[in-house]
Amino acid sequence: DIQMTQSPSSLSASVGDRVTISCRASRSPDNYVNWYQFKPGQAPKLLIYTVSRLQSGVPSRFIGSGSGTDFTLTIDTLQPEDFATYFCQQTYNTPTFGQGTKVESK
Amino acid sequence: QVQLQESGPGLVKPSETLSLTCTVSGESINNHYYNWIRQSAGKGLEWIGRISTTGRINYNPSLKSRVIMSVDTSKNQVSLTLNSVTVADTAVYFCARDGIVLSGSFNWFNPWGRGTLVTVSS
Repeated sequence: DIQMTQSPSSLSASVGDRVTISCRASRSPDNYVNWYQFKPGQAPKLLIYTVSRLQSGVPSRFIGSGSGTDFTLTIDTLQPEDFATYFCQQTYNTPTFGQGTKVESK
Repeated sequence: QVQLQESGPGLVKPSETLSLTCTVSGESINNHYYNWIRQSAGKGLEWIGRISTTGRINYNPSLKSRVIMSVDTSKNQVSLTLNSVTVADTAVYFCARDGIVLSGSFNWFNPWGRGTLVTVSS
């Protein structure tokens, strides 16, 4: 399996900040990298698929990038509704997820 | 708009069988794979497997010996059975649809259900 190491595990930020979350794969998952947003009591939400494609209906402040083994989710201009936990995922082979990054209010 | 809802017992005794159902509304379950994923404090997010109505199934090798997935097209449901559970199987269990119609490769998951908490305890 490809292991996804996500960092940081948590961060504190303010509305309007630019937030960056990283995922490093144990070997290249090609472009099979996706990002999800989790909020308690809600269905998890797909944000980005195949590294950089924005899911329909997701605000353009969510930006996915990367290649090889290093991938990044950037939230440009953090909004109040963005405080949540974010996970990366690889689906190159048996799907695996990062450990998650909790974005909290500073 | 397609919606998924997981259901089943919230408490299962050790060594017994965990059985969950995912009911899909808003579209037919044909043409897509449906995945089961669980989230626990100990192991984080773990993909359990996926099934399609064409009979294709993929299981996580780490759970394959204890997992059975099935579909009921008449009820628009997919089901998960996990045998010989231990406290380590305590988790929130999610179902999620594959992002691409019946693709042989793995893809993104969209949409997801809200999940259901299953606790394994005597």
